[in-house]
Amino acid sequence: RKEVEQDPGPFNVPEGATVAFNCTYSNSASQSFFWYRQDCRKEPKLLMSVYSSGNEDGRFTAQLNRASQYISLLIRDSKLSDSATYLCVVGHNDYKLSFGAGTTVTVRA
Amino acid sequence: ETGVTQSPTHLIKTRGQQVTLRCSSQSGHNTVSWYQQALGQGPQFIFQYYREEENGRGNFPPRFSGLQFPNYSSELNVNALELDDSALYLCASSFDGQATDTQYFGPGTRLTVL
Repeated sequence: RKEVEQDPGPFNVPEGATVAFNCTYSNSASQSFFWYRQDCRKEPKLLMSVYSSGNEDGRFTAQLNRASQYISLLIRDSKLSDSATYLCVVGHNDYKLSFGAGTTVTVRA
Repeated sequence: ETGVTQSPTHLIKTRGQQVTLRCSSQSGHNTVSWYQQALGQGPQFIFQYYREEENGRGNFPPRFSGLQFPNYSSELNVNALELDDSALYLCASSFDGQATDTQYFGPGTRLTVL
């Protein structure tokens, strides 16, 4: 079983729509959780950290469910510039980050 | 921009050759992690260097080795290249080597093994 699993998508949505997707992680001892964004052939960039209480950053909302070991990301009022691959990332109790394979989102005009 | 730089940008090698990739960490960061990202996959952790010592390693064979220098820049060396080593190699710097630290990625080195 992979440490972090994501629906690869693609999620193809019109501008202004809301899109949401999850990832699941296998290590119950995981301590830190992130969403990174990766544009085609570019490096990953931190979108947001994810906290147990849930957190919001503008149009982006992340939720963490430790009991069910899943993390979600919701994007409201999608923009064309939101088209990217979103990587779910889990940190363990040491140094290591485990990445999912990514969820591809395409926002169309 | 993150301030993390990598060189070279692209590299083409043949099977059996050796390669060295370089990474300069962001100012103030003492930790560099290396990742391999194959096409269509997420980055896979290779190893991490913290204050010039290897701080942990993923499931990669010993032919993947590294160094970290006193200025916290780092090298990734891969010996006896195989076709499956073709990938984007990413380095990421962070403040203090903890999984809770934000990691800032460089632009990557795209390695093609023929």
